[in-house]
Amino acid sequence: DAGVTQSPTHLIKTRGQQVTLRCSPKSGHDTVSWYQQALGQGPQFIFQYYEEEERQRGNFPDRFSGHQFPNYSSELNVNALLLGDSALYLCASSAGAGLGEQYFGPGTRLTVT
Amino acid sequence: GESVGLHLPTLSVQEGDNSIINCAYSNSASDYFIWYKQESGKGPQFIIDIRSNMDKRQGQRVTVLLNKTVKHLSLQIAATQPGDSAVYFCAETNILTGGGNKLTFGTGTQLKVEL
Repeated sequence: DAGVTQSPTHLIKTRGQQVTLRCSPKSGHDTVSWYQQALGQGPQFIFQYYEEEERQRGNFPDRFSGHQFPNYSSELNVNALLLGDSALYLCASSAGAGLGEQYFGPGTRLTVT
Repeated sequence: GESVGLHLPTLSVQEGDNSIINCAYSNSASDYFIWYKQESGKGPQFIIDIRSNMDKRQGQRVTVLLNKTVKHLSLQIAATQPGDSAVYFCAETNILTGGGNKLTFGTGTQLKVEL
């Protein structure tokens, strides 16, 4: 049984560009949450998707958007990249929108130059 | 130059000793708390959780203590092993208000186990 998978593993982008990160949840999970983890910091909640809709959102600008597909996989899009967007982006999945242990993927390391 | 963000609090313990990692949480309305372990290059891994109606919960080699009065959480690891070396995060949320998956993480503590 595969856990949470994310792609790509690493990514290098230039300021102003756009990026799309992908996440496949653990089998049986229908909820996906995205977190941003800056170096040496704890993860920060970006948003959560359940039933293909954004259900909760953290304190992130509209440049951060997402999508959830019928198979529960999810994408995180970031537009107009800034140097400060460089971070590890983590996807976590769970069963149900409000409860349930969250399982984290290994993350995508994004570097903006 | 160095980044302030890289200076995680560090706890160094000898192999076989007990470790205690502390966390001060921010929201008095939080009703669910989780400890995560994060090894280098990996995502956070669930260790143990506790609801606000409890003050202690035990797992295998780990115990979590919750003091709601002072908003303090601790993780005790018995007989610490080299494989316990990692960064440990506490996280909080409010399940009652529907925020179950919106975790707020602490800054983390680096645990180093010395042989």
